[in-house]
Amino acid sequence: EVQLVQSGAEVKMPGESLRISCTDSGHTFTDYWIAWVRQMPGKGLEWMGIIYPGDSDTRYSPSFEGQVTISADKSISTAYLQWSSLKASDSAMYYCARQYYNILTGHSYFDYWGQGTLVTVSS
Amino acid sequence: EIVLTQSPGTLSLSLGERATLSCRASQSVSSSSLAWYQQNPGQAPRLLIYGASRRATGIPDRFSGSGSGTDFTLTISRLEPEDFAVYYCQQCGNSLGCSFGQGTKLEIK
Repeated sequence: EVQLVQSGAEVKMPGESLRISCTDSGHTFTDYWIAWVRQMPGKGLEWMGIIYPGDSDTRYSPSFEGQVTISADKSISTAYLQWSSLKASDSAMYYCARQYYNILTGHSYFDYWGQGTLVTVSS
Repeated sequence: EIVLTQSPGTLSLSLGERATLSCRASQSVSSSSLAWYQQNPGQAPRLLIYGASRRATGIPDRFSGSGSGTDFTLTISRLEPEDFAVYYCQQCGNSLGCSFGQGTKLEIK
């Protein structure tokens, strides 16, 4: 079974870099897409992008392209979300989730979620 | 980019009542890629419905989804205490890019 475990909460200053992680402890990591979803305080869900760890195919939402980097290390079943220079507006909860996609049926949805990583950026 | 608009923003109902939540897309979407989620405070979202009308594993049958094209509906037939939460619809396109609605908060009246 898929079990996504995310790294712990982070408190950073503006301008700092950060990488958070999402590890699948229970499944073949290379067989599915991993998505990152942002939830700002008191707000809704925003799809940021996805990666297929099997071949590192990565796709971004236009809203997040160039703002973050999504990567993965399939040897340790871990996906990453990275910032090179944080801003206060990056403060949010970040979830990783398995983005299931069946090319035959067209079904696409997020069936397994990590517990979330809270990122706080403040001076 | 397809925009999903959910209504109402907040829905106040009593236990045992029927809840009807709406999700409208800015352009026609495939029913296959339309899903619904429930989120409780401090928790990750939980998949309820996929393919517009298929219940996910373990979801009670009081939850049902319907719709096609640009208009989709999540119905909860008889509200239980644990149903009061925030609900999101989601769609994904052919390139696997996805979007969520802004959410409907279901609160106890």
